[in-house]
Amino acid sequence: KQEVTQIPAALSVPEGENLVLNCSFTDSAIYNLQWFRQDHGKGLTSLLLIQSSQREQTSGRLNASLDKSSGRSTLYIAASQPGDSATYLCAVRMDSNYQLIWGAGTKLIIKP
Amino acid sequence: DTGVSQNPRHKITKRGQNVTFRCDPISEHNRLYWYRQTLGQGPEFLTYFQNEAQLEKSRLLSDRFSAERPKGSFSTLEIQRTEQGDSAMYLCASSSQGGPYNEQFFGPGTRLTVL
Repeated sequence: KQEVTQIPAALSVPEGENLVLNCSFTDSAIYNLQWFRQDHGKGLTSLLLIQSSQREQTSGRLNASLDKSSGRSTLYIAASQPGDSATYLCAVRMDSNYQLIWGAGTKLIIKP
Repeated sequence: DTGVSQNPRHKITKRGQNVTFRCDPISEHNRLYWYRQTLGQGPEFLTYFQNEAQLEKSRLLSDRFSAERPKGSFSTLEIQRTEQGDSAMYLCASSSQGGPYNEQFFGPGTRLTVL
């Protein structure tokens, strides 16, 4: 059974710092991995999607990497801003079905 | 706005009542998903439709839960005889079969509070 873990559960850093969020999964037979942002009490915004055959994807200040064999993905945020404060979730889709399996998220606070 | 929409955004109900939520997917998307998210946790998969066919159901979807997508467009999720443990955010997502990666796009969610 696939399990997705995100560490740390919470992270607080000063504005301007670069930071890395981690996501690990136990079953490497994934189809793709998505990173999402969720503002408090709100819905989910897709940030980046990495196919299982890809190593990384970039969008603006965000870069997501995938190491399928080791069951790890990272989300790198450059030059963090207070507006980046949110919960970041990763989710994997398996080869065998269409549902997403989620981590519990990392709550990020960027201090001005 | 061509994103996924959900109604209502908030619902407060008393234990034992029935509630129904609606999801309107992105118009060209033929796949539709329901998830449930409790406080501090990631979402959990409930069910998935391709067009009007319900193809996957989680064991979380007890007999009190039913979902429909009668014409392959909007979907409804009904919870009968609600319990306090049903309090959660109910999220709907859609994706395109023709899309390269089957990326799922989410609506704003319906927050259910059962008193």
